[in-house]
Amino acid sequence: GAVVSQHPSWVICKSGTSVKIECRSLDFQATTMFWYRQFPKKSLMLMATSNEGSKATYEQGVEKDKFLINHASLTLSTLTVTSAHPEDSSFYICSAPTSGREIYNEQFFGPGTRLTVL
Amino acid sequence: GENVEQHPSTLSVQEGDSAVIKCTYSDSASNYFPWYKQELGKRPQLIIDIRSNVGEKKDQRIAVTLNKTAKHFSLHITETQPEDSAVYFCAAREGPARDDKIIFGKGTRLHILP
Repeated sequence: GAVVSQHPSWVICKSGTSVKIECRSLDFQATTMFWYRQFPKKSLMLMATSNEGSKATYEQGVEKDKFLINHASLTLSTLTVTSAHPEDSSFYICSAPTSGREIYNEQFFGPGTRLTVL
Repeated sequence: GENVEQHPSTLSVQEGDSAVIKCTYSDSASNYFPWYKQELGKRPQLIIDIRSNVGEKKDQRIAVTLNKTAKHFSLHITETQPEDSAVYFCAAREGPARDDKIIFGKGTRLHILP
């Protein structure tokens, strides 16, 4: 199957700093990527849809100035958590649907990034 | 937008018995329903999916059924094994395009008892 990577896998930062998380599709191009947030023992909550070459689409209640998304190329989307606070500590996972003629394509998930804000 | 409800939140079954997880969705336009298995600290892995033009799909011990009229879909795991213990998420894609949003249910923690 297709491979999606994330970097870093785990980051610990001080409150007030910004953290950038990268999501890469390694063997396919992704015009769209999704960013999810997952709290311990909870479901995946969609934060935003990252669109290559255009602005991201944020879900209701997600602060776009807090969670900056950039999709600069067909294989890379970045999520920057600005001025991080302890309540931003979470597991962030990206996913990307594969390209191809078939429309019912699977979404492949990255391994996730665990963010801990002290 | 789409809303996916999943039940139960926790399920314990004896090894060898069957497990059933049920989901409902709200948007009749949704036409793709994947199921994911997530082990602790790992990424969700697709285990089976079903399209809206199919009522049932089976892959070895795993089967999924879909009732479009009632907007229900279910995951069935037969002859459960210890390695089936994990969190399972149902999901629904809001539209027909591969880059339409996928909305997840809250998850079911499945425990396989020895």
